[in-house]
Amino acid sequence: DTAVSQTPKYLVTQMGNDKSIKCEQNLGHDTMYWYKQDSKKFLKIMFSYNNKELIINETVPNRFSPKSPDKAHLNLHINSLELGDSAVYFCASSQGQGAAFFGQGTRLTVV
Amino acid sequence: SQQGEEDPQALSIQEGENATMNCSYKTSINNLQWYRQNSGRGLVHLILIRSNEREKHSGRLRVTLDTSKKSSSLLITASRAADTASYFCTNFGNEKLTFGTGTRLTIIP
Repeated sequence: DTAVSQTPKYLVTQMGNDKSIKCEQNLGHDTMYWYKQDSKKFLKIMFSYNNKELIINETVPNRFSPKSPDKAHLNLHINSLELGDSAVYFCASSQGQGAAFFGQGTRLTVV
Repeated sequence: SQQGEEDPQALSIQEGENATMNCSYKTSINNLQWYRQNSGRGLVHLILIRSNEREKHSGRLRVTLDTSKKSSSLLITASRAADTASYFCTNFGNEKLTFGTGTRLTIIP
């Protein structure tokens, strides 16, 4: 069983479209995250949720809206996609300040 | 701001040799964690060392922690081609894990 799974793995879409990336963890962790990794491989945190509550929002444009329907899920919806949104997006989870488990990433390409 | 800065930025060694990479951090920590990222994949947690520990082993990995110098090192012994990856250190500063640019390790067969 995959601990942290995110879908889709690849996403190619046109500028201006709206898209969602889903993430689920089966580890029973209380905290989930979204990270963005750009072309220079720099991994930057976007959001953090603890027990469905938003605790970190790293000055991400409000076109990005995370949603956590329950503790095991943290989805990312992106409105009006821009070329600069092209990146690999990683979901992760942890129990408190323990080890974080990452998904395999979603490679988003905006054309 | 980054919670860990890795050094060197890139390292190439022959298969079978040992690889050592270093990490410096700025804030006080509860624990320090090392991760590996293979090209095109998600990060994989390698090892966590608590602030009251000085050394920890896991298989071919050895991590040291010096809280007085705010530094850590990761040693990979008897390297293998599969160890080729980027390695990151990090800790929970301001309730979040932030990552630097990592050390890019290349194992030459």
